[in-house]
Amino acid sequence: DIQMTQSPSSLSASVGDRVTITCRASQSISSYLNWYQQKPGKAPKLLIYAASSLQSGVPSRFSGSGSGTDFTLTISSLQPEDFATYYCQQSYSTPATFGQGTRLEIK
Amino acid sequence: EVQLLESGGGLVQPGGSLRLSCAASGFTFSSYAMSWVRQAPGKGLEWVSAISGSGGSTYYADSVKGRFTISRDNSKNTLYLQMNSLRAEDTAVYYCASSRGYSGYPDAFDIWGQGTMVTVSS
Repeated sequence: DIQMTQSPSSLSASVGDRVTITCRASQSISSYLNWYQQKPGKAPKLLIYAASSLQSGVPSRFSGSGSGTDFTLTISSLQPEDFATYYCQQSYSTPATFGQGTRLEIK
Repeated sequence: EVQLLESGGGLVQPGGSLRLSCAASGFTFSSYAMSWVRQAPGKGLEWVSAISGSGGSTYYADSVKGRFTISRDNSKNTLYLQMNSLRAEDTAVYYCASSRGYSGYPDAFDIWGQGTMVTVSS
């Protein structure tokens, strides 16, 4: 199975900050990497697919980059509604595996 | 409106069985692979099982293989997860989710249900 490791596990930031979350795969997954946002008590929401493609309806302050084993999710200017937990997920091979999550908290 | 609605969760004793359902609406259900993803209390996301659009291919996580069975009825736009020999570690919120594209599974999951809670306890 492909292991997905996110860093950091938690992060404190302020509204307006630029934030970057990293995801590393245990082997090359090309660009088969997706990012989700989850708020407490809610289902995950797809933000980015195929490493850098913005899902319809997602604000442009969210962006993704990377290929191979190293990927990043960047939020260019944090908004109050962005404080949540973020997960990466590889869709290169089965089983589809998720990172352990990055909790983004208000500083 | 595109929507997935899960049902069937509840409290079950260890060794018991439960059948989850996921009703889809607002999109061509039979064109997309579907998955079940679970989340134990306070934990991260774990993919559980997937099924192709036609139902001809199924996939399972090792943790549930031989105990869970995924199926779908495209005439009813409904996905199922039959869970047998349940264990305490199966306690979680179970989400159904649709693959984003026509390529099937694995893929990004772009439509999610609200989740249904399964608690395995005596």
